[in-house]
Amino acid sequence: QAVVTQEPSLSVSPGGTVTLTCGSSAGAVTSGHWPYWFQQKPGQAPRTLIYDTINKHSWTPARFSGSLLGGKAALTLSGAQPEDEADYYCLLDYSGAGLFGGGTKLTVL
Amino acid sequence: EVQLVESGGGLVEPGGSLRLSCAASGLTFGDAWMTWVRQAPGKGLEWVGLIKTKTLGGTTDYAAPVKGRFTISRDDSENTVYLQMNSLKIEDTAVYYCRTPRGGPTGGYWGQGTLVTVSS
Repeated sequence: QAVVTQEPSLSVSPGGTVTLTCGSSAGAVTSGHWPYWFQQKPGQAPRTLIYDTINKHSWTPARFSGSLLGGKAALTLSGAQPEDEADYYCLLDYSGAGLFGGGTKLTVL
Repeated sequence: EVQLVESGGGLVEPGGSLRLSCAASGLTFGDAWMTWVRQAPGKGLEWVGLIKTKTLGGTTDYAAPVKGRFTISRDDSENTVYLQMNSLKIEDTAVYYCRTPRGGPTGGYWGQGTLVTVSS
């Protein structure tokens, strides 16, 4: 079974830009993996930010964007806010079965 | 407003069974794929399984750790999806969330979760 990899932790300064990535041990991540990105704050349920690589929901702040970058899925946060401090998880689809990455703890400081 | 409300969690002994429910409102439930995701205490998210719409045959898929023990079903007349969990193990202890995958008018929503504790 594939393993989905994310950076365990990243930090960004307020107003700065950071890119989180999501890789697959099975090879390059493509749009066919239908990458998702989720945000989870302590004590809360996760919230979906990005689906199908680049698509945002109506509640997704404009400063978040999804892409494919160097064989990985990527979540870029441009203009970080203190409230963006959270855990971020990616999810990839492998022929119908999903697999989450281990999550990235993002610190805004 | 779309709401997903899970229920049915609780304490169960190893080897026991439990059925979770996820009641949906505010969306056309019959058009929604539904998934279950769990999170063990202090750990990351784990995909559990999926059920597609009836028009797609209500097809299900499961993660390897739960295949053969867990069953997802749906009752579109009740706007509810179920997770039947049998032969529970200690490592199944987690908060279980239901979620609507994909995009469009039915996608992107999460419930608040229900805690399942497997312990003797």
